[in-house]
Amino acid sequence: EAQVTQNPRYLITVTGKKLTVTCSQNMNHEYMSWYRQDPGLGLRQIYYSMNVEVTDKGDVPEGYKVSRKEKRNFPLILESPSPNQTSLYFCASSSGLSREYNEQFFGPGTRLTVL
Amino acid sequence: QKEVEQNSGPLSVPEGAIASLNCTYSDRGSQSFFWYRQYSGKSPELIMSIYSNGDKEDGRFTAQLNKASQYVSLLIRDSQPSDSATYLCAPCTTSGTYKYIFGTGTRLKVLA
Repeated sequence: EAQVTQNPRYLITVTGKKLTVTCSQNMNHEYMSWYRQDPGLGLRQIYYSMNVEVTDKGDVPEGYKVSRKEKRNFPLILESPSPNQTSLYFCASSSGLSREYNEQFFGPGTRLTVL
Repeated sequence: QKEVEQNSGPLSVPEGAIASLNCTYSDRGSQSFFWYRQYSGKSPELIMSIYSNGDKEDGRFTAQLNKASQYVSLLIRDSQPSDSATYLCAPCTTSGTYKYIFGTGTRLKVLA
């Protein structure tokens, strides 16, 4: 089954404790992206990657890191989480092949609470 | 001006009626347009994609695009209570890189 997976689905942590949220897709997609979703603010892009070893900042990259060492994986790293990073996080991927095949498919989401 | 504007709603329609959801966008470089449905606490699910001016129909859903007016809409015919969700409009610009901008969504309530 074609899908985007994320782990963990739920995470409660404390300020300053490094964490990683994993994202994996099995569709051989070029493009992968991380979003956070907060009430009233909608989906905001954190980082994206056009291909292996190619990453770039989205609209709200502060406090986050990413890496793309393999095509299928795109982990999100919070080196020193703070309470303002409490949010619902989504990973997404798209083929990136052309204008008409660039719809994004989303993972199930990770609800992060930073105390 | 927001990059993507949607009426937050809620938009309430009776079961069986047509729901009309609207979206305006500011980036004239947008080339692809997507509608996603999102249930509370769940991930966005792609409903429709449209790339050319005019209408595109898929089952009960019709997407309409007018690039000159920078306007895209989604019609849901024969609305069902299960259509009650938030609908996100997402234009995409593909010049050099892919830039997706999401609206904050319109909450639709279909009344049984």
